[in-house]
Amino acid sequence: DTGVSQDPRHKITKRGQNVTFRCDPISEHNRLYWYRQTLGQGPEFLTYFQNEAQLEKSRLLSDRFSAERPKGSFSTLEIQRTEQGDSAMYLCASSLAGHEQFFGPGTRLTVL
Amino acid sequence: GENVEQHPSTLSVQEGDSAVIKCTYSDSASNYFPWYKQELGKGPQLIIDIRSNVGEKKDQRIAVTLNKTAKHFSLHITETQPEDSAVYFCAALHSGTYKYIFGTGTRLKVLA
Repeated sequence: DTGVSQDPRHKITKRGQNVTFRCDPISEHNRLYWYRQTLGQGPEFLTYFQNEAQLEKSRLLSDRFSAERPKGSFSTLEIQRTEQGDSAMYLCASSLAGHEQFFGPGTRLTVL
Repeated sequence: GENVEQHPSTLSVQEGDSAVIKCTYSDSASNYFPWYKQELGKGPQLIIDIRSNVGEKKDQRIAVTLNKTAKHFSLHITETQPEDSAVYFCAALHSGTYKYIFGTGTRLKVLA
C-alpha cells in the first residue's frame, strides 16, 4: 500500500501527558499537511510543510503543539501537556505539485 | 474569516435516487474545490474535484458543478447505492495558500 500512513491509529492518554504522532506521506510527495477533526465537524487546518520547511501554521496550533518534518519525508506532531479539549482525530495529508491532497486514516486521540 | 457552508447536514435517499449536496464559499479568490467521502473510522477520500476555470465535471455517477458568480458548488450523485452511504465534505482551497477550508459535512444514508 503506497498511501499516507499514520501511527498510532488510536491513543488514549491522561490529561497533562505528552503525545507524539507520526505521519508517513505518499512517497515523493513534497507537501505534507496536518488537520484536526472533531466529532461532527470537517477537518480544520493546523499546519503544512513543503519539504522540510514549515510554511504555515494555524492559530489553532497553540504553543503546546509542535510539528516537524526533519528530512522532508515523515512528519511528527507533538502535543505537550494534553488537555481534554485536545481530544480529536488528527489527520495527515500529502500532495505533490497539484492541489489534490490525499489523507491518511488519522490518529484518534482521547484525553481522559 | 474564510468559511464554507454545507447543506444539508443529513440526507436520506432511496437506492437508485439522486442525491445533491450544496456548498457556498466566502473567499472569492478560491480556485480549487475538492469533495471528500469519509467512512466511519477512516480518513477522507478524494472522490472528485473542480477548478475555477471549469463549470462542471463528471466521473461516472458523480458530478460537480461550480457557479463562481454565486460562489456555490454542488455534488451530484446519481443512481445511489448503499455503499454510497458515508459523510461527504466539500472544501475550498484558500487563495494564496495550500490549506483547505472544509464544510461541516453531510451524512448521506442510502436506503435499500
